[in-house]
Amino acid sequence: NAGVTQTPKFRILKIGQSMTLQCTQDMNHNYMYWYRQDPGMGLKLIYYSVGAGITDKGEVPNGYNVSRSTTEDFPLRLELAAPSQTSVYFCASVKGLYTEAFFGQGTRLTVV
Amino acid sequence: AQTVTQSQPEMSVQEAETVTLSCTYDTSESDYYLFWYKQPPSRQMILVIRQEAYKQQNATENRFSVNFQKAAKSFSLKISDSQLGDAAMYFCAYRSAWGGGADGLTFGKGTHLIIQP
Repeated sequence: NAGVTQTPKFRILKIGQSMTLQCTQDMNHNYMYWYRQDPGMGLKLIYYSVGAGITDKGEVPNGYNVSRSTTEDFPLRLELAAPSQTSVYFCASVKGLYTEAFFGQGTRLTVV
Repeated sequence: AQTVTQSQPEMSVQEAETVTLSCTYDTSESDYYLFWYKQPPSRQMILVIRQEAYKQQNATENRFSVNFQKAAKSFSLKISDSQLGDAAMYFCAYRSAWGGGADGLTFGKGTHLIIQP
């Protein structure tokens, strides 16, 4: 049981480039999330999904897009990378309200 | 919107001693869930302990326990018999019970815990 798998672990982008952060989970969880973690800060919610075909904005969605075509996958797309998007990104999934959120290992993204 | 405040950016404790990490939150909701997560240098987020707001009994997991004061909106974490492996960032987090909790967790800024050998 792999849990939540994120790729890549590290990436350096140039300003204006695009990329997709991949996230997949094999636990059949309906709820999936993308967070970003800036230095000295907690995690902030970018986007979330309550099931395949359903996504919604979190606290800091600007500059990002998501899709959820299957229960397993929840990719995060950066269209025009900006230095402000330099951060560590975490994907997470949850089975239910009180249950543990399972996190991927994070992607450290640097935009130069 | 809910907010979570961790007022201690950094704490230091001697190995085998007890340390308490503070967390307060602001919400108008009566039903919610609270969590403590540990983030070691590996970046992996690890659940330490969780508490349901409607339960008055404080949660305990081995050396970890919480002091949940609902009226004061306080949720502190006590680590007993501190071990070197406890060194990490600790995040307090809140999840609403409304809307299916679909909007995820609200995190505090974290407390960096240092264990002195």
